[in-house]
Amino acid sequence: GAVVSQHPSRVICKSGTSVKIECRSLDFQATTMFWYRQFPKQSLMLMATSNEGSKATYEQGVEKDKFLINHASLTLSTLTVTSAHPEDSSFYICSVGGINMNTEAFFGQGTRLTVV
Amino acid sequence: QKEVEQNSGPLSVPEGAIASLNCTYSDRGSQSFFWYRQYSGKSPELIMFIYSNGDKEDGRFTAQLNKASQYVSLLIRDSQPSDSATYLCAVYGGATNKLIFGTGTLLAVQP
Repeated sequence: GAVVSQHPSRVICKSGTSVKIECRSLDFQATTMFWYRQFPKQSLMLMATSNEGSKATYEQGVEKDKFLINHASLTLSTLTVTSAHPEDSSFYICSVGGINMNTEAFFGQGTRLTVV
Repeated sequence: QKEVEQNSGPLSVPEGAIASLNCTYSDRGSQSFFWYRQYSGKSPELIMFIYSNGDKEDGRFTAQLNKASQYVSLLIRDSQPSDSATYLCAVYGGATNKLIFGTGTLLAVQP
């Protein structure tokens, strides 16, 4: 399966600052990557679909100006949480694959974001 | 109605027993079904997937799919303490054409 590297694994930031999370597909050229958010004891919720060379597609209720996604190459997508607030504290996970019925999703290690 | 429903548990089974995890989904057009295991603080890892009605076995794991009942399950034979984790059911296809996750079932295997 695909190897997906996500960095950083943990980050603590002050309220009002921005945080960038990187997701790299190490052995798979991914035209599409996905960003999920998971609150404690809740399911993975899809935030947005990252498309190489074009704008990301955001799910309903996700602010595109707050969660900036850049997918400049086939192996790298970044999620920037801008003007972070404590309610943005969550586990953020990226994935590749899972774009059709025959492919499973492979996940990065996840990033635990804590906004203080 | 949630798109993918699972009992949150915890489901507690003794070591060596069979653990049965269940999942129902609402979109009858769903095409493929995945079981992921997630340890606390970690990202999900794929256990197995199933597309067709019936059973699919892989080692100690058996996935069962019944599209008429919109039901998918995962059986874990000879459960081990290392199997203790949250098991996520994920469904792909149908109206959304996206991978939708259930909230997961916490499994605790008692030594």
